[in-house]
Amino acid sequence: DTEVTQTPKHLVMGMTNKKSLKCEQHMGHRAMYWYKQKAKKPPELMFVYSYEKLSINESVPSRFSPECPNSSLLNLHLHALQPEDSALYLCASSQERVGADGVVPLHFGNGTRLTVT
Amino acid sequence: KQEVTQIPAALSVPEGENLVLNCSFTDSAIYNLQWFRQDPGKGLTSLLLIQSSQREQTSGRLNASLDKSSGRSTLYIAASQPGDSATYLCAVRQSRPRLTFGEGTQLTVNP
Repeated sequence: DTEVTQTPKHLVMGMTNKKSLKCEQHMGHRAMYWYKQKAKKPPELMFVYSYEKLSINESVPSRFSPECPNSSLLNLHLHALQPEDSALYLCASSQERVGADGVVPLHFGNGTRLTVT
Repeated sequence: KQEVTQIPAALSVPEGENLVLNCSFTDSAIYNLQWFRQDPGKGLTSLLLIQSSQREQTSGRLNASLDKSSGRSTLYIAASQPGDSATYLCAVRQSRPRLTFGEGTQLTVNP
């Protein structure tokens, strides 16, 4: 069982819908990530939050809006998506220390399988 | 720009075989390299993380090595089992917190 919990597991939405993906971790990690993964492709980084502040946005379209309400929760708000946005959306978390040399591993959730019709 | 390549893209072996998965990266200035396992439709499970100063890490039947200067890592799986069937991804970390992933090796272990 993963220590990063994502809900829902599956989501089907129309192009005019508004929905949200949720991610929760209770490992005390202060860095949280959203990745997008298309079939048979590696995960692609979308956003990174560090200490509840957005630190990286990989030029993601504004129809994806991340939110980090507290250190344990990460949301991804979806609006006016396109069919090509259908993918597995993965949340991850890690420890984050000032001056860290990147030795901390990432912990991934099981993802939300999103289908846009 | 860092590029990560995994060879082979797919591998099918009989149960009990020892096998090696390969990962190469173009920029040797990395902080660490992490091997993941992904089952179909699932998230990624971290298997091993090797720091840039380390040469190898072991966990059970898994052994990962790192040769940073040549830009290569291998994941060795001993006595493979059908339950090892999955896609194996390697990822390198440079400037934190970005990971660059390879495209994975899809492993099938046949009973």
